[in-house]
Amino acid sequence: EAGVTQFPSHSVIEKGQTVTLRCDPISGHDNLYWYRRVMGKEIKFLLHFVKESKQDESGMPNNRFLAERTGGTYSTLKVQPAELEDSGVYFCASSQAIGLAGPHTYEQYFGPGTRLTVT
Amino acid sequence: GQQLNQSPQSMFIQEGEDVSMNCTSSSIFNTWLWYKQDPGEGPVLLIALYKAGELTSNGRLTAQFGITRKDSFLNISASIPSDVGIYFCAGRDQAGTALIFGKGTTLSVSS
Repeated sequence: EAGVTQFPSHSVIEKGQTVTLRCDPISGHDNLYWYRRVMGKEIKFLLHFVKESKQDESGMPNNRFLAERTGGTYSTLKVQPAELEDSGVYFCASSQAIGLAGPHTYEQYFGPGTRLTVT
Repeated sequence: GQQLNQSPQSMFIQEGEDVSMNCTSSSIFNTWLWYKQDPGEGPVLLIALYKAGELTSNGRLTAQFGITRKDSFLNISASIPSDVGIYFCAGRDQAGTALIFGKGTTLSVSS
C-alpha cells in the first residue's frame, strides 16, 4: 500500500511569489491534515479535511494560505503571496474514518514533507 | 493554545546506552503518541497510548501514559546507530482531531 506522498519535495521561491503544494493521502483515507514545522520549533497543525470538507482550519496562519481538496482525494495548499516567515517544512498526514475497529486504526500517517524556502 | 514541553532538546549517547525522554502538558490529553523522524522523511508513528497509566512496548521502545494524563515518557533501551533521529511526542484530545506536538528530542548515537 502506497503511503502519503507530497510534491514537490523542495521549493525555493522569492518573497511575493506563489507556491502550490500537493498531498496525495493513503487511498481510502477520509481525513487529511496539513501541518507545518518552522525550523527548531514544534510541528503545528494548519487544517483538517474530512473528505472534501474543511473540518477545522483554526491553524491557518492568515488568508495568504488556501487549502483545497476537491473530490475528496488529493489536496493542495497554496501560499500567495509568500513571505519570508512562511519558510519551513509542510507535512501532510492522512487517517481512516473513525470506526469500531479500535483507536489505533485511525492514527495519522505522515508524508515526507515539502521543504519550502522563501528568499 | 495548548503546548507540550518536551525534554531534553537533544541527547548525545554511546551505542548500547539507554535513553529516556518525556513530555508534559498543562492540559489533559486522551491520547499520547510518539513519532520518530529520520532526515528527509516524515514522522513515523512508534507507539500510541490511549489509557492513563498504560505502558506499551515496541521492541526496544517503551512508553507510558501518565496517570494524570498530562505527561508521557519514552524509553529506548540498548541504543543502536539507527536510533538516530528526532523523536516527537504528540497529544490529542479527541479521536480524529489535530495533533499537538512537542518540539522534539534530537538523538545522536556514537558507535
